[in-house]
Amino acid sequence: DIHMTQSPSSLSASVGDRVTITCRASQGISNFLAWYQQKPGKVPKLLINAASTLQSGVPSRFSGSGSGTDFTLTISSLQPGDVATYYCQKYNSAPLTFGQGTKVEIK
Amino acid sequence: EVQLVQSGAEVKKPGESLKISCKASGYIFTSYWIGWVRQMPGKGLEWMGIIYPGDSDTRYRPSFQGQVTISADKSISTAYLQWNSLRASDTAIYYCARQSLYCSGGSCQDDAFDIWGQGTMVSVSS
Repeated sequence: DIHMTQSPSSLSASVGDRVTITCRASQGISNFLAWYQQKPGKVPKLLINAASTLQSGVPSRFSGSGSGTDFTLTISSLQPGDVATYYCQKYNSAPLTFGQGTKVEIK
Repeated sequence: EVQLVQSGAEVKKPGESLKISCKASGYIFTSYWIGWVRQMPGKGLEWMGIIYPGDSDTRYRPSFQGQVTISADKSISTAYLQWNSLRASDTAIYYCARQSLYCSGGSCQDDAFDIWGQGTMVSVSS
């Protein structure tokens, strides 16, 4: 099975900072990579699919990039409402494995 | 409106059986895979398995194979997650989620989980 590794596991940044989260697949997955945001006590929400396609309604400060094994989620200017745990997920074939998550907090 | 509505919270004892549900509406139930995701207290998301209600094709993460059963009743647009004998370690929130479809040029491929249920909290304790 393909393993998904996110880094860092947590980060603390100031409002307005640029934040970058990485996700690495143990084998190539083309661009079959999604990013989800889960705010405390809430249901996960799809932010990005196909590695870089922003879902409707998601603020443009969020962006995704990458292909193959290395992927990045970037928040260009961190806002208080972005406090959440972010997960990557491969979906090219079962098992549709999630990364372990990156908890983002405000400094 | 496309939505998945899950059954309510459950409190069970070890060894008991349980079946939780996920009712779909607003789309063609038989045309999309439905997955189940576990989130243990304070932990991350774990993909458990997935079912295609159109033909009941089911895939499991190896660690969940034999521990749970995923099924679907297309007559009532509902997917299920079932345990025959619960353990305390099954205490978690369980989400169902629809795997979306990306279609282009007359062909479609499976995509990410675009619609999620609200989650079902399962507590197992003696």
